[in-house]
Amino acid sequence: QSVLAQPPSASGTPGQRVTISCSGSSSNIGSNYVYWYQQLPGTAPKVLIYRNNQRPSGVPDRFSGSKSGTSASLAISGLRAEDEADYFCAAWDDRMSGVMFGGGTKLTVL
Amino acid sequence: QITLKESGPTLVKPTQTLTLTCTLSGFSLSSSEVSVGWVRQPPGKALEWLALIYWNDHKRYSPSLRSRLSISKDTSGNQVVLTMTNMDPVDTGTYYCAHKPSSSEIATDAFDYLGPGALVTVSS
Repeated sequence: QSVLAQPPSASGTPGQRVTISCSGSSSNIGSNYVYWYQQLPGTAPKVLIYRNNQRPSGVPDRFSGSKSGTSASLAISGLRAEDEADYFCAAWDDRMSGVMFGGGTKLTVL
Repeated sequence: QITLKESGPTLVKPTQTLTLTCTLSGFSLSSSEVSVGWVRQPPGKALEWLALIYWNDHKRYSPSLRSRLSISKDTSGNQVVLTMTNMDPVDTGTYYCAHKPSSSEIATDAFDYLGPGALVTVSS
């Protein structure tokens, strides 16, 4: 069971806006930065959002991150077929002294 | 440009020890206030953090696997090695090494770069 809680699945139609939640505690999300990773089938995870809401160069502005208290969200607007992937959240945990991951959310574009 | 690349055996037998090497490029563990960690992913499952080593040789381990793990870096700071003892079929999966940036005074970061991964199968 993962320290950070994510819904196992999400879906949307092309053009729609989808959000994926990530719930933690005061020792992880509540006090440290949240990262989001996109994992396309058969590939390694790639950082989509770092430090709660920052996008690396090359990541479309359709992707956005937010954090409030001990929860975080990833929003994808203008959903496209190529967004179909697994999405993981992560944060450092002060109590575990390590990086904790969410269980992952499989996004399906209908 | 920061890159990491894992190398090691693709197949290990149960009870054997797994040794994986991560070769760093674009940065060095000996000269930056960064750290390098290992993460694994069983087929179709979630990511799991395993271990972390800092530029100053401090180490952190997943509490659930601490007794089986050892992480180290070479003197040049360009390679990081992970060993995991007493391998079991449930340890089958892809093992990633990852770069963790130096954090601010406000909060601590997670990993910002992961290598392509090394698939390890545990089977007799």
